Amino acid sequence: AQSVTQLDSQVPVFEEAPVELRCNYSSSVSVYLFWYVQYPNQGLQLLLKYLSGSTLVESINGFEAEFNKSQTSFHLRKPSVHISDTAEYFCAVSEGAQKLVFGQGTRLTINP
Amino acid sequence: DTGVSQDPRHKITKRGQNVTFRCDPISEHNRLYWYRQTLGQGPEFLTYFQNEAQLEKSRLLSDRFSAERPKGSFSTLEIQRTEQGDSAMYLCASSSSSGRLIDAFFGQGTRLTVV
Repeated sequence: AQSVTQLDSQVPVFEEAPVELRCNYSSSVSVYLFWYVQYPNQGLQLLLKYLSGSTLVESINGFEAEFNKSQTSFHLRKPSVHISDTAEYFCAVSEGAQKLVFGQGTRLTINP
Repeated sequence: DTGVSQDPRHKITKRGQNVTFRCDPISEHNRLYWYRQTLGQGPEFLTYFQNEAQLEKSRLLSDRFSAERPKGSFSTLEIQRTEQGDSAMYLCASSSSSGRLIDAFFGQGTRLTVV
């Protein structure tokens, strides 16, 4: 079975600083990888995904993630964060075609 | 249809009572998923439907839990004889069966509190 490890449960950063949220997964076979964001009292929203092709994927709001097969990682980065990025971020890996396996989440807190 | 809809958003119930949640997926999506998210954790898979057929159930889904999707559209998740450990956010997601789970859209969830 797949597993996902998000190495940091909380990440506090100052506004306009860069941030990296770390994610490692267990599989050695081809997988699809996802980052979801959850704002307070909301459901999950897809932020970005890696399916195939370029190992660097980007979202519309400035986040990017890089798939690294040798390190089984899919870290999420943003060069300059905003207060509105405060949320919980979940890394997920596909298990078969039926379900996603999520990490425990990283709470990103942006301080002014 | 703007997304996955879940009802109710919040439910407080006494231990031992039965509760039922509803999920309306995106209309053209034939796959529907239920996940449970407890405080401080990521969502955990509960069950999955392809049209009206329930194709997989997690071991997390005890015999007090039952999910249905009678006409392949909306789905219900019922919990019988609720326990305090059932307190969680129940998330529904849907996707199209294009061969791979690529775009799963989640609803806003139903937060259950068992007192």
